[in-house]
Amino acid sequence: QVQLVQSGAEVKKPGSSVKVSCKASGGTLSRYTITWVRQAPGQGLEWMGRIISSLGVANYAQKFQDRVTIHAEKSTSTAYMELNSLRSDDTAVYFCATGDVGSSWYDYWGQGTLVTVSS
Amino acid sequence: ETVMTQSPATLSVSPGERATLSCRASQSVRSNLAWYQQKPGQAPRLLIYGTSTRATGIPARFSGSGSGTEFTLTISTLQSEDFAVYYCQQYNNWPPYTFGQGTKLEIK
Repeated sequence: QVQLVQSGAEVKKPGSSVKVSCKASGGTLSRYTITWVRQAPGQGLEWMGRIISSLGVANYAQKFQDRVTIHAEKSTSTAYMELNSLRSDDTAVYFCATGDVGSSWYDYWGQGTLVTVSS
Repeated sequence: ETVMTQSPATLSVSPGERATLSCRASQSVRSNLAWYQQKPGQAPRLLIYGTSTRATGIPARFSGSGSGTEFTLTISTLQSEDFAVYYCQQYNNWPPYTFGQGTKLEIK
């Protein structure tokens, strides 16, 4: 089964960008669709977007369409989520997640990456 | 966007009792609904997909039902480790695949 390991916590200034990585092991990244979900402090889960690794096609929630880029690097089995023009309300834990091939639910999750946006 | 509404926001139940959590969709999601459990400081854990299919390793005390717009997660006999936050998620209507706001299951 696949395991997802994310990069470490980040502290960013408002207006800057953050790039979070998600490395897949125990499986070939190109077989999976990697989804990014975030969770603000004390809040629920928010779906941000996904990358269909085999095709290199990304889809985004409209809320994030103008600020987020998700891509995958097959050679290193790593997916990335970059969020631009950071604001204080982007402070959250960002998770990557995936499921068994062909599924749209999420069996496997990364450990989460805390991104803090503060001046 | 399909809005998922969970109720109640907080549910207080004693260990050994039954818990029933609800999830309502603003439009039909057919049977394309999943449930997750999340404990503090942890990533969510998949419990149920396809409305009623338990994920690998999930105990039989967890069951899901419903279709269309109304769904239920039932935990038949609560164990101490079941007290957590539960989220439903629809993966029928795109984009995006939306989550409910969560139900916190707490010890009574």
